[in-house]
Amino acid sequence: AAGVIQSPRHLIKEKRETATLKCYPIPRHDTVYWYQQGPGQDPQFLISFYEKMQSDKGSIPDRFSAQQFSDYHSELNMSSLELGDSALYFCASSSNIAATSYNEQFFGPGTRLTVL
Amino acid sequence: AQKVTQAQTEISVVEKEDVTLDCVYETRDTTYYLFWYKQPPSGELVFLIRRNSFDEQNEISGRYSWNFQKSTSSFNFTITASQVVDSAVYFCALSFILTGGGNKLTFGTGTQLKVEL
Repeated sequence: AAGVIQSPRHLIKEKRETATLKCYPIPRHDTVYWYQQGPGQDPQFLISFYEKMQSDKGSIPDRFSAQQFSDYHSELNMSSLELGDSALYFCASSSNIAATSYNEQFFGPGTRLTVL
Repeated sequence: AQKVTQAQTEISVVEKEDVTLDCVYETRDTTYYLFWYKQPPSGELVFLIRRNSFDEQNEISGRYSWNFQKSTSSFNFTITASQVVDSAVYFCALSFILTGGGNKLTFGTGTQLKVEL
């Protein structure tokens, strides 16, 4: 079965550079979520999109932006990178079959971003 | 506000011992979902189990078992006869439905389990 694809899997950037992380959800999934997991930390919700519209926003810095495209893939853009942005970034997707029911999130393998 | 507490930061056991990981949650929602995820050293998040707030039936799956008690807001996870391959960080998580679509997961801080020979 197809899973969530994230690219790149590893990324090394310098301070103040820009990074773009990509997420390709499971086919027919219409909702995408981004989570950030710092070293030794739990995953923290950043932002989510449902049908290409932002559905919720967590503790995402203003330097970060994200969008979901017409083919449902999503990109997380990170500018003016700081050392503290070094983390594992997970994307998850779900199929929002019914607004009042739970729709399981399937996680990608993550992108490990290192800022030097 | 949603909150998940995993008071045990690290647990070390000897192989074949049983181990229980504790999870306490807080929510004002009447409908919510609880999860356990495993994160091995390789980094991926491995889904283990999901429970909804209306299903307090405990479950056993192989060496894994879960104890959900709504009265104490706890969702504990037990590994029977632990193995070295069980060594990982285990996260308890709570989910609620977003009005804008989808669900949002709030994770606990995780419990590092080390199983030694």
